[in-house]
Amino acid sequence: DVKVTQSSRYLVKRTGEKVFLECVQDMDHENMFWYRQDPGLGLRLIYFSYDVKMKEKGDIPEGYSVSREKKERFSLILESASTNQTSMYLCASSLLTENTEAFFGQGTRLTVV
Amino acid sequence: GENVEQHPSTLSVQEGDSAVIKCTYSDSASNYFPWYKQELGKRPQLIIDIRSNVGEKKDQRIAVTLNKTAKHFSLHITETQPEDSAVYFCAANRPHGSSNTGKLIFGQGTTLQVKP
Repeated sequence: DVKVTQSSRYLVKRTGEKVFLECVQDMDHENMFWYRQDPGLGLRLIYFSYDVKMKEKGDIPEGYSVSREKKERFSLILESASTNQTSMYLCASSLLTENTEAFFGQGTRLTVV
Repeated sequence: GENVEQHPSTLSVQEGDSAVIKCTYSDSASNYFPWYKQELGKRPQLIIDIRSNVGEKKDQRIAVTLNKTAKHFSLHITETQPEDSAVYFCAANRPHGSSNTGKLIFGQGTTLQVKP
């Protein structure tokens, strides 16, 4: 069973704080993703990583950065949290091989106050 | 970049009826089109996918069709049941290189309600 685990289910942070969201997968997947989910907007891609230390911006990277120092771990960093970053954050992973399923973590509900 | 549009945003059907959700995509390089189901409070999970070399795929009550020329793909659920109630997302890939599926770009989601 593929397991993608996010470090927190719920987080409350203050405006201006630096926030780290962690994601770990145990299936040796090359690809990892961070999405944010907002009602009516679907899942929007923040960042994509296809290998250790390799990353590509998604559609909404502003205000975020990522780190992938090890294959199994992909971190999302909010350098200075703002209230408009209050959202559900979903991590996912998939194999490099063409056309393979992405597996999602359980999500982190982040509230910035 | 890839843009995926999904319609309708909400869909309500009577148990036993069929439901159809439609998506369009913009990137002609896309070659993988998965559909995910997200039940309330749970993570999205793959229910069916289709590759660009086929036009239709069926799995029991669920089918997906793909029209590459028109850049349309659709999810069809027959004989709907209350447990089909969920949010459904379509997606299209933006390939990375020649062999990596790359990024998955999702539609806005459809909330399906099946009334008993």
